[in-house]
Amino acid sequence: DTAVSQTPKYLVTQMGNDKSIKCEQNLGHDTMYWYKQDSKKFLKIMFSYNNKELIINETVPNRFSPKSPDKAHLNLHINSLELGDSAVYFCASSQEGNVRPIGYTFGSGTRLTVV
Amino acid sequence: GEDVEQSLFLSVREGDSSVINCTYTDSSSTYLYWYKQEPGAGLQLLTYIFSNMDMKQDQRLTVLLNKKDKHLSLRIADTQTGDSAIYFCAERSQAGTALIFGKGTTLSVSS
Repeated sequence: DTAVSQTPKYLVTQMGNDKSIKCEQNLGHDTMYWYKQDSKKFLKIMFSYNNKELIINETVPNRFSPKSPDKAHLNLHINSLELGDSAVYFCASSQEGNVRPIGYTFGSGTRLTVV
Repeated sequence: GEDVEQSLFLSVREGDSSVINCTYTDSSSTYLYWYKQEPGAGLQLLTYIFSNMDMKQDQRLTVLLNKKDKHLSLRIADTQTGDSAIYFCAERSQAGTALIFGKGTTLSVSS
């Protein structure tokens, strides 16, 4: 009964490959996010989708393309992987329709290593 | 732009109180949060406070907000070794905007 689940948990791949990370939430939330956590543990927002529509798109290389087939899923596809893409990628969700947003629920992360 | 600052490390002895500090720059920050990240895990929401509050207490956790100085603190009473983790302060101005995180404070608790 995991609330926000990401797959895979670990991903090791070669430079130049294309890979996808999947995220699903069963909380009924209307908004989902991708965050990147680098080796120094700094967390930066990458994308946000509300009811399948892109609402936040930070300065991220266009090799990264999010896709939201429905409001319970937000996948992240990365083309032409580079060494600098190695990081932990976190998916999160929240219910933004509330008057007072309580905060995000995070997945357990996908550790991407590009070799 | 928005910025959230935290000291990077804090070391305490078991049983002592820990105080983790955070400052933010966005005066329109309305919602402020504390998250905990244990090694190899995701982020767990610990507590939150709205800008119309000065203090919030939840068991061993006390959050203090000084809106004038844009300063937020998290106090953990009777710190235990299981409290060792990275603690992130985060803020947002309104619903629909992204959470902006600080760089995290690594809390180390020695027995």
